[in-house]
Amino acid sequence: ELKVEQNPLFLSMQEGKNYTIYCNYSTTSDRLYWYRQDPGKSLESLFVLLSNGAVKQEGRLMASLDTKARLSTLHITAAVHDLSATYFCAVIRGGATNKLIFGTGTLLAVQP
Amino acid sequence: DTEVTQTPKHLVMGMTNKKSLKCEQHMGHRAMYWYKQKAKKPPELMFVYSYEKLSINESVPSRFSPECPNSSLLNLHLHALQPEDSALYLCASSRTGTAQETQYFGPGTRLLVL
Repeated sequence: ELKVEQNPLFLSMQEGKNYTIYCNYSTTSDRLYWYRQDPGKSLESLFVLLSNGAVKQEGRLMASLDTKARLSTLHITAAVHDLSATYFCAVIRGGATNKLIFGTGTLLAVQP
Repeated sequence: DTEVTQTPKHLVMGMTNKKSLKCEQHMGHRAMYWYKQKAKKPPELMFVYSYEKLSINESVPSRFSPECPNSSLLNLHLHALQPEDSALYLCASSRTGTAQETQYFGPGTRLLVL
């Protein structure tokens, strides 16, 4: 059974600081997604990581994928309050269909 | 148009009611999904439709009945729900439903069962 775990579950950080969210998954997958969810809102696609060593950056967020270690990271640089949200990683479960298994989520609170 | 829309935004229903959730997309996507998300938890897949045919049912109780009348529209019919079914119901779509595609999510319907 595919399991996807994130840590930390909750992250309180000050504006201007850097931090990393980790996503571990239990079985082989060549595709990993990062989504953002604001309170009471839907999920916004942030990154799709397609292969080992893939790195993508958008603004203050940078995501990377190590398929051998079954690990993805989401690095936050110089956090700002607008980044406060819940971040989910998600992995395709396998087979021919697009069955996404989400990680536990990381609630990020950026304090002024 | 890169939007998935869902109606209603909020729904309160009793355990004996029958109601329906609606999801629509006009991106030409041929795969559509229903997810259930409880508070402070990740979304969990319920159903997948691919080319208007049900391809995945994740052992969802029969009180939830999906329907895909055409390639743009996905419904979720609700009957005799339980209070523990209260959650955010998210619809998503992707181009064809293969394992290579990003899913795009709608805003969700927040359901409360009394």
